[in-house]
Amino acid sequence: TQLLEQSPQFLSIQEGENLTVYCNSSSVFSSLQWYRQEPGEGPVLLVTVVTGGEVKKLKRLTFQFGDARKDSSLHITAAQPGDTGLYLCAGYYNQGGKLIFGQGTELSVKP
Amino acid sequence: DTAVSQTPKYLVTQMGNDKSIKCEQNLGHDTMYWYKQDSKKFLKIMFSYNNKELIINETVPNRFSPKSPDKAHLNLHINSLELGDSAVYFCASSGRRNTEAFFGQGTRLTVV
Repeated sequence: TQLLEQSPQFLSIQEGENLTVYCNSSSVFSSLQWYRQEPGEGPVLLVTVVTGGEVKKLKRLTFQFGDARKDSSLHITAAQPGDTGLYLCAGYYNQGGKLIFGQGTELSVKP
Repeated sequence: DTAVSQTPKYLVTQMGNDKSIKCEQNLGHDTMYWYKQDSKKFLKIMFSYNNKELIINETVPNRFSPKSPDKAHLNLHINSLELGDSAVYFCASSGRRNTEAFFGQGTRLTVV
């Protein structure tokens, strides 16, 4: 069974602080995706990382895929209240043809 | 145009009833999924279909029966509903492997 351990599950910070969310597994994934989910909506893709060691930046968000393609991190610089939401990592497991999700991180950024 | 649409958005029903949730995607994708999101926000995969064929059934009770009449539709029928079935159910679709999954808005099912 492929599992993705995401941490922390809850994070409450002040505007302007930096934060990192981690996603770890014992399985190798062919890709790792990060999603953001707003209340009452479905998850929406932020980024996909495919190559081991890959780093992608999306404004103040930096995503990294581990060299062994088993882990990933999301770093947010100078968080803003608009970053508040549920962040989900998801790994695509090629052999099973399925996309599985971590437990999610509920981020609250206070002004 | 909504890429992945599912209906209804809210469903309240009594224990023991049978209900269906419909999902349609207009993206031309080959793969469709059903996920269950519990009260702790964990998204658990239930089923995956590729070109109308069942690929994954993640040990879901056989009271849940997906049906794909064509590759643009994946409906979920649930028999003999139980209290523990209360959750938000999401339909999603994706194109080529490793590509983005597009999600519907979810169906909040409440069994009373």
